[in-house]
Amino acid sequence: GESVGLHLPTLSVQEGDNSIINCAYSNSASDYFIWYKQESGKGPQFIIDIRSNMDKRQGQRVTVLLNKTVKHLSLQIAATQPGDSAVYFCAEGAGNRDDKIIFGKGTRLHILP
Amino acid sequence: EAQVTQNPRYLITVTGKKLTVTCSQNMNHEYMSWYRQDPGLGLRQIYYSMNVEVTDKGDVPEGYKVSRKEKRNFPLILESPSPNQTSLYFCASSLNGVGTDTQYFGPGTRLTVL
Repeated sequence: GESVGLHLPTLSVQEGDNSIINCAYSNSASDYFIWYKQESGKGPQFIIDIRSNMDKRQGQRVTVLLNKTVKHLSLQIAATQPGDSAVYFCAEGAGNRDDKIIFGKGTRLHILP
Repeated sequence: EAQVTQNPRYLITVTGKKLTVTCSQNMNHEYMSWYRQDPGLGLRQIYYSMNVEVTDKGDVPEGYKVSRKEKRNFPLILESPSPNQTSLYFCASSLNGVGTDTQYFGPGTRLTVL
């Protein structure tokens, strides 16, 4: 069935290092992918998205990579800062299903001083 | 400021006492949705609305009602709350659907049902 999941529930990274958060998806029809950041006590906040006609997209300090062959999505955060501490969710949507997207359960990113 | 607002932010109630959580967006978005978030289960969709007067069930609609009488508002109604509805609730909206448009979330409503 459809599912969006994460390889690691918690990731600890030294401040200043790069972080890589992974996500696997199973619906080959999915063609829109989103990463959200959720800080403690707040709602999910959009970080970056990518469509299936791309394999890489860059934002400010963040890069999303999409590997459709193995149905894998990753979020890379450069020079991780204390403010990056949060739970990160991936989500997938299908262009032919405009009514819902599927969320992964999230990875908690912990920044070590 | 473009935003999704929810009220109340925190609510403690008792079993069976009807309550409404309001949601409003000022971005003229067509699509609105309600989610609940529980530890270990992630975000689960309760109801959604593609447009005014159009609502549909999500993955966990039991015990909830919604209405979409106007574009900006999408209240969540619990007619007879039960303890298993204790959760963190998020309202969200997007310009059109969510298959291709970014979804923006409200700050959340933490509900406790005793």
